[in-house]
Amino acid sequence: AQSVTQLDSHVSVSEGTPVLLRCNYSSSYSPSLFWYVQHPNKGLQLLLKYTSAATLVKGINGFEAEFKKSETSFHLTKPSAHMSDAAEYFCVVSNYNQGGKLIFGQGTELSVKP
Amino acid sequence: DTAVSQTPKYLVTQMGNDKSIKCEQNLGHDTMYWYKQDSKKFLKIMFSYNNKELIINETVPNRFSPKSPDKAHLNLHINSLELGDSAVYFCASRRTSGTSTDTQYFGPGTRLTVL
Repeated sequence: AQSVTQLDSHVSVSEGTPVLLRCNYSSSYSPSLFWYVQHPNKGLQLLLKYTSAATLVKGINGFEAEFKKSETSFHLTKPSAHMSDAAEYFCVVSNYNQGGKLIFGQGTELSVKP
Repeated sequence: DTAVSQTPKYLVTQMGNDKSIKCEQNLGHDTMYWYKQDSKKFLKIMFSYNNKELIINETVPNRFSPKSPDKAHLNLHINSLELGDSAVYFCASRRTSGTSTDTQYFGPGTRLTVL
């Protein structure tokens, strides 16, 4: 069975400082991993996805994530936080064998202080 | 030119009522999904249709019945609404290319409140 665990339910950073949102996955085969962002009262937007082409994945708005098989991790980072980054972030694994359904982590709420 | 749209955006109703949520995508995708987001923001798959055929049916009460009249639409009908059905329901779609890396595009969500 596949699963994802987001290690922090809430992360708070100051504007201009780095962001690190941690995610560990469990998968019996090569996983497909995604990060989605949800701004308050909005839908979900794809930030980036791991397609096995490269272990360092660049996404939108300056975010990137590194796939580390040895650590079963897919942490999301950004060098410098902006106020507009405040949102809920979801680490997600895709289950190809079951119609491509997405299995979500519990979410990490990112707060950005001025 | 909204990609995935849902109606209504908000739905407030009484226990015991029957209600429907509609979803439409104009991306030409062949697979559509319904997800439920609970009060703790946890998201879970409910159903999926591929070319109007049901391919995923998670452990959802049979009061919930999805219907796909065509590839571009996936509606969700809920009978005998209960307090625990209060949640945000998201529709999503993707083009199935045979890999698991296809991106799912989400609608804006429907916030259902059962009183």
